[in-house]
Amino acid sequence: SQKIEQNSEALNIQEGKTATLTCNYTNYSPAYLQWYRQDPGRGPVFLLLIRENEKEKRKERLKVTFDTTLKQSLFHITASQPADSATYLCALPPDTGRRALTFGSGTRLQVQP
Amino acid sequence: NAGVTQTPKFQVLKTGQSMTLQCAQDMNHNSMYWYRQDPGMGLRLIYYSASEGTTDKGEVPNGYNVSRLNKREFSLRLESAAPSQTSVYFCASSEAPTGTFSYEQYFGPGTRLTVT
Repeated sequence: SQKIEQNSEALNIQEGKTATLTCNYTNYSPAYLQWYRQDPGRGPVFLLLIRENEKEKRKERLKVTFDTTLKQSLFHITASQPADSATYLCALPPDTGRRALTFGSGTRLQVQP
Repeated sequence: NAGVTQTPKFQVLKTGQSMTLQCAQDMNHNSMYWYRQDPGMGLRLIYYSASEGTTDKGEVPNGYNVSRLNKREFSLRLESAAPSQTSVYFCASSEAPTGTFSYEQYFGPGTRLTVT
């Protein structure tokens, strides 16, 4: 069955730098991948969707890449700000008949001022 | 629009007690989901309802039951709570079921449940 891996260790970076988060998956060839942001004590919020035929997607300071050969998506936040501090989750469509997203465990980002 | 609402926000149960978590959405979405989130485990799907009148098991359905009361409401019931069910529970909805076509999911604020 599909397996999604995100770095469980928190990522600490300085304000203004680019944060790069990784989502790896195995045993699967998803048609798309989604990224969500989750703040402490709140539900996840959708950020970006990228499809398998798209190499890169941008939204303001966010950029997502999707490498179907490496089975990896990278999530970049440029010119990071303390307000970007949160946990970021990647999500993939199901590889079975189940009709719901499967989420990674998330990576916590901490942007230091 | 309130989006997805959940009640209660917090709950403490004793082992063996039962309770129902309520979820409602006002976006006219067809599909609704229940997840639990535990430290280091990510979001795990308990049950989902692809459309009104249907429900299906997710990854961790044991110990839970669901009811899709109408298009707006999807409840999760714990018949006999166990300490292993201590978790944060999230309800979510989407325009249509996840599949070939991608639909983003909208999440509620969560219910923090402790079973002692």
